[in-house]
Formats: sequence, structure tokens, C-alpha cells
Amino acid sequence: GAGVSQSPSNKVTEKGKDVELRCDPISGHTALYWYRQSLGQGLEFLIYFQGNSAPDKSGLPSDRFSAERTGGSVSTLTIQRTQQEDSAVYLCASSSSGSVPYEQYFGPGTRLTVT
Amino acid sequence: AQRVTQPEKLLSVFKGAPVELKCNYSYSGSPELFWYVQYSRQRLQLLLRHISRESIKGFTADLNKGETSFHLKKPFAQEEDSAMYYCALWNFNKFYFGSGTKLNVKP
Repeated sequence: GAGVSQSPSNKVTEKGKDVELRCDPISGHTALYWYRQSLGQGLEFLIYFQGNSAPDKSGLPSDRFSAERTGGSVSTLTIQRTQQEDSAVYLCASSSSGSVPYEQYFGPGTRLTVT
Repeated sequence: AQRVTQPEKLLSVFKGAPVELKCNYSYSGSPELFWYVQYSRQRLQLLLRHISRESIKGFTADLNKGETSFHLKKPFAQEEDSAMYYCALWNFNKFYFGSGTKLNVKP
């Protein structure tokens, strides 16, 4: 079956513009995660969705970042008024078990460049 | 605060040599620890998790609570092991990843 998909694969935007990044998890996976990977850095945990529960947003770096997950499936990460420091690869992952993620399946990532 | 430290950015070994990728963590409870791997031009994927006590592709990792370490080991490295390796800790709905170690296995 299809793995986790993300779109777009690359996004170049001007400083101050809003961007939306999309994640399609593996069908049936109840848990969905967003991460950010800046150049030379590890993965920074952003947000976690588990089923229909309210997401844990405490990893979001600022109030310019928000995420939604509609119908327990597709998720959108929105960054408002983008800044140059938002430039990074944004990774999405899903898993079938939320309490302890036995295995996360990662998407290919979206490379965001803010000019 | 939870932290995961991978002190080596790059580790180069020759084929057939033993390899150990270091991971230290700071966490007061019983951690859930994982190793993830990213091969060139591939997606990040789970390598192994400490709870399973498994050996994957010849790699093992033992949790040492006294030293707060979860080092990844393989007795005989292969060229196909060359990749980025990330140690990760799971706690309260969050993953904390280390900054990664690039393993280069030379022929």
C-alpha cells in the first residue's frame, strides 16, 4: 500500500507570506506527527495527533504555527507570516499505535525555503 | 527536561570493524528509546526499539539506566550501513531526537 505522502515536495516563499503543508498518513493509522529538521540539526518535534483527541501543540515554536487534522486522516501544517528561520524540511509521520509509537512511518518531507 | 545527545556528528570505520554510535539521554523515569536510520535518498525509518530487545541488520542497543545511555552497536560494519542514525526518546506524547550521527563505512 501507499506510504505517507507529503505535498508539496518543495516550497519557496517570500518572507511574510503564509504557507500550507499537507500530509496524507497511511490509511488506518490513528497517530500523526509533524517534525521540523533544520540544516545540520536533529528532528524537532512539533505536534502530535492521536485519533480524535485534542492535539498536543506544545512543540509548536510560535503562534504562527498551527496544524489541523480533518476526519482523523489528512493533516495540514500552516505557517503564517513566514520568517527566514522557518526554512527547514518539514517531516510528517504516522503510526498505528498512539500510546507508544511502535513504529513511525515517515513521509519524504517538504523542503521549505523562505526568501 | 528530556534531552537526547549524540556526541559524534560523523563516525568513519572500515568495513568489518566494530561500530558503536553513542546516545545519552536525560530523563528521570523509564524511557522509551529508539534508533532511527536514514539511508541516502531514502526516508527516515525505524531501526530498533529498546522495548523489543531485538537485533536488526546485526545492530543491537542496550539501555543502561545507570549511565543513561542507549548506544547502538554492530560487531562487523558493512558498507551498506553507511547512513544517518538518530537516537530518539519518547515521553508524554513527544519524541525527542538527537542531532544524528553520520556513519561512513569505508571499503
